[in-house]
Amino acid sequence: GAGVSQSPSNKVTEKGKDVELRCDPISGHTALYWYRQSLGQGLEFLIYFQGNSAPDKSGLPSDRFSAERTGGSVSTLTIQRTQQEDSAVYLCASSPQWRSTQYFGPGTRLTVL
Amino acid sequence: ELKVEQNPLFLSMQEGKNYTIYCNYSTTSDRLYWYRQDPGKSLESLFVLLSNGAVKQEGRLMASLDTKARLSTLHITAAVHDLSATYFCAVDIRKGGSEKLVFGKGTKLTVNP
Repeated sequence: GAGVSQSPSNKVTEKGKDVELRCDPISGHTALYWYRQSLGQGLEFLIYFQGNSAPDKSGLPSDRFSAERTGGSVSTLTIQRTQQEDSAVYLCASSPQWRSTQYFGPGTRLTVL
Repeated sequence: ELKVEQNPLFLSMQEGKNYTIYCNYSTTSDRLYWYRQDPGKSLESLFVLLSNGAVKQEGRLMASLDTKARLSTLHITAAVHDLSATYFCAVDIRKGGSEKLVFGKGTKLTVNP
């Protein structure tokens, strides 16, 4: 079946611009996660959505980062006023329920010039 | 703060040899994952280890978990070139109704003919 999809696959932007990254989880998966992978910091948790519960935003690095999940499915991660240190691969994952294997999408490579 | 330490971070080995990758973590958890990442690709789930003493095997890879020692190992038997990749361990952390994975820095494995 279809896996987690993310778009765009690559995004190049100028410092100070806003960007939106999209994630389509596996159909029927109730949990959705965002992670960031960078050379310096490795893989870091950003945010967790589970069903209709309030998201866990504890991993968001600053208030320039926000995310939403509409209709319990698609999620968008928004970064406002991008900075060069935001350059990384942003990975989305979904799982069928709480505490089960997370399946990762291909990621969006963000480059901030 | 939870720390997940993998060693070695880089591993170059010859085909046919055996080796073990170690993953130590600093807090209690009853669930640990191993993922594989090929260059430019996303994370592929290899194993989920759910209890103390759990052992899982798939082909030339075998993973184990000792929750008392807070240690997981990934053992490679008779390595082949196709196993060249970066391997991550990840500890599942629950807090309230949330969960996240905390990753090690990864072990980059190169298997030479």
